[in-house]
Amino acid sequence: SAVISQKPSRDICQRGTSLTIQCQVDSQVTMMFWYRQQPGQSLTLIATANQGSEATYESGFVIDKFPISRPNLTFSTLTVSNMSPEDSSIYLCSVRPGLSTNLQYFGPGTRLTVT
Amino acid sequence: AQSVTQLDSHVSVSEGTPVLLRCNYSSSYSPSLFWYVQHPNKGLQLLLKYTSAATLVKGINGFEAEFKKSETSFHLTKPSAHMSDAAEYFCALGGSAGTALIFGKGTTLSVSS
Repeated sequence: SAVISQKPSRDICQRGTSLTIQCQVDSQVTMMFWYRQQPGQSLTLIATANQGSEATYESGFVIDKFPISRPNLTFSTLTVSNMSPEDSSIYLCSVRPGLSTNLQYFGPGTRLTVT
Repeated sequence: AQSVTQLDSHVSVSEGTPVLLRCNYSSSYSPSLFWYVQHPNKGLQLLLKYTSAATLVKGINGFEAEFKKSETSFHLTKPSAHMSDAAEYFCALGGSAGTALIFGKGTTLSVSS
């Protein structure tokens, strides 16, 4: 298994500002994913972040709003830019431990409230 | 197209009674299927996984699930509910290589004493 930590665990931000969320894994992984979970909802994939390549964004999510960095095999960041109250969600980092499996592990999430 | 349908948004049981959470899937690939649990204000924890081995899969905390290809189902069961089982449960489908898991909308399990 993989142990994943996220920082911050929660934050309250003002509209128009940006927040960068960090995801740290205790082992090297090729595939990392960022999900959003809006209140009372399921998980929606924002993007796939593979080391050494640009992140791949899902429909409805754009790089200008959610820039992602993946500088190495154990770390990634997601920035939520120019925030509005609609961005209030839990943001979850997830990793796939190997290419031969679809199994994913999840971080504890970052609970973001935008006022 | 790949999709996951959790048939119940909310299930309520009494402590000590059986639990059944239903999940159907649609996949053009040989599926990998997972159940995750999310306790309030926590991240997702893997309960169990099916990856084309035994069709009856045992997970943590007494949960198990049976893969039924003919019914395209992967229902989660537990013989006897415990208060600590109250949580949100997500069924997820793994698709082709390199793609992320697809999640159902979740089922809230309530357990009363």
